[in-house]
Amino acid sequence: ETGVTQTPRHLVMGMTNKKSLKCEQHLGHNAMYWYKQSAKKPLELMFVYSLEERVENNSVPSRFSPECPNSSHLFLHLHTLQPEDSALYLCASSQDNRVRGLNEQFFGPGTRLTVL
Amino acid sequence: EDKVVQSPLSLVVHEGDTVTLNCSYEVTNFRSLLWYKQEKKAPTFLFMLTSSGIEKKSGRLSSILDKKELFSILNITATQTGDSAVYLCAVVGAGSNYKLTFGKGTLLTVNP
Repeated sequence: ETGVTQTPRHLVMGMTNKKSLKCEQHLGHNAMYWYKQSAKKPLELMFVYSLEERVENNSVPSRFSPECPNSSHLFLHLHTLQPEDSALYLCASSQDNRVRGLNEQFFGPGTRLTVL
Repeated sequence: EDKVVQSPLSLVVHEGDTVTLNCSYEVTNFRSLLWYKQEKKAPTFLFMLTSSGIEKKSGRLSSILDKKELFSILNITATQTGDSAVYLCAVVGAGSNYKLTFGKGTLLTVNP
């Protein structure tokens, strides 16, 4: 256990469904991240929140909508997804250290998403 | 754009062997390089390297960074079947305080 939990662990949805992924960190960190991991591709950063403010948005389609209500919780709202969005979605957290610029991220177990 | 290349992409060894995994990178204003181990789901943190030539060790694992030649290696001695995993390398550049650029990983399989 890394102190970062994600629910659900598996999700199957149709292209017209709306669902949400949840991430919670118990490490007292102030930055949270969503990554997408597809087969045989590097981890792709999707969104970053630091101090509950979105600071990175890597050209992610609008059918993915993040929400960070506080520093411990992060959501990824999904709607009208495509089959190519099927992947492992990983949440991570870190302690934002702007002076030193170091970035040790702790990952959750991921949500395996299948879009039919 | 920051770039990370890991080699080999996959490796099969027998228990007791020593392995060396490679990570080369191109990054604007390098800040740090990180190694992760990913078994079934969550990548777990192994090492963070910021300075050249200083070896970091944790049990049978060790890693070192060469900022002049822009690469890092991860060594695992006396491998065990539990070392079987994907090993990920990532770098942080000055472009973003938050963005880890990952390589594709090395899939290590340790056979009994």
